[in-house]
Parts: sequence; structure tokens; C-alpha cells
Amino acid sequence: AQTVTQSQPEMSVQEAETVTLSCTYDTSESDYYLFWYKQPPSRQMILVIRQEAYKQQNATENRFSVNFQKAAKSFSLKISDSQLGDAAMYFCALISGGGADGLTFGKGTHLIIQP
Amino acid sequence: NAGVTQTPKFQVLKTGQSMTLQCAQDMNHEYMSWYRQDPGMGLRLIHYSVGAGITDQGEVPNGYNVSRSTTEDFPLRLLSAAPSQTSVYFCASSYSWGRVGHEQYFGPGTRLTVT
Repeated sequence: AQTVTQSQPEMSVQEAETVTLSCTYDTSESDYYLFWYKQPPSRQMILVIRQEAYKQQNATENRFSVNFQKAAKSFSLKISDSQLGDAAMYFCALISGGGADGLTFGKGTHLIIQP
Repeated sequence: NAGVTQTPKFQVLKTGQSMTLQCAQDMNHEYMSWYRQDPGMGLRLIHYSVGAGITDQGEVPNGYNVSRSTTEDFPLRLLSAAPSQTSVYFCASSYSWGRVGHEQYFGPGTRLTVT
């Protein structure tokens, strides 16, 4: 069975500062993808960024970047220049193998942006 | 494209009642799935389908039924509602299950309360 662990139930950051959300995972598969999803109060699940296990280069999407440490099975999300609109629950998720078993999610990190 | 749509947005049931949560997508996606989200938890997979006529169980299938008679629709049936099924339910779809990493598109969710 694969697992995803987010050890930070809640994080707080000042507007315009940088924050890093942690995620560790475990899977026996060699072919897998990792994702960060954002869930604002509207509860809509929004894909923030994805990382393919075979790619050594860390993924980047505008102010969002990841630090993918494959050997350590770590996948952290860095948000630069935090904005009030970044306030949300953030979920780390894993899909592996053929993908038919769907996503395995962590329990989430509640990110608070202090103005 | 409407993307993934879910109805209803909110529902209150009494214990023992049955109901169907509707999910539809207009992106011609092969893969569809249902998740539930409970407080303090990430999303957990209930059932999934890799194509019309094919369904399988996820992590938490007990008390739920699904069918996939068309590519577009993937209804979730609660056979006899229990308070433990109080949750937010998300439907998701993706282009294919055969390759991991395809983005999963989520519906807006249905908040279900069983009294």
C-alpha cells in the first residue's frame, strides 16, 4: 500500500514571504507522479503542480516550486511571494503504477496568510 | 466545456434512506472516480471506472454502489445511508488511466449529511 504523510496540520506566513509545506510518501512502484492540490474555502480541488518520478528537475509553476528528493521520498512545496489568495488547504497526492487506483492523498496542511 | 459537474451540491438524508449522487463530464474522459473527504482527512477513493461498463472498488467502497453505462456519467448510489457516510463527496475524471500523471479534474463536491 502506498502512503502520503503531511506532518504540518497548519502553517502561517506573512504576505510576500516564502513558505514551504512538507510531504513524505512511500510507494513500491517505480513509475509514479506526485501532485500538490489546493482547496480554498469554496472546496474546489485545484491542481497546483505535478512532478514525474523519472524527472530529476524540480517542477516550477510561477510562484510555486517543489523540492523533490526521490531517495528520501520527500516532496515539499515552496510558495514564494505569498499572497492572500494562497490561503487554503494544501494536499499532497501520489498516483502510481497504471493509475487505475486513483490518487492517494495526505491529510492536508492549512495555510494561513497574515496580511 | 462544463468540465465535471455534480448534483446536488448539498443533501440531508435520514438514516436508512437511499439516494444517488450524480456526476457527469463532457471531456470524453475514460477514467472517472469518486472520493470522500472527511474532516482532518485527505480524500479517499470509493470507486473508480476505467471505461463504460467497467468499475472497481477503491479504498472505502462499503455502503456504496456505482455503474458506468455511458462515458459521460458515473453515479454513486448510497444503498442505506448511515451517519458514518456524512462527508463531502468529490467526483473526478481524467483522460486515461493507462498512463499515470494525467491531470484529474474534480467536480465541485456534494456535502452530504446523514442524521
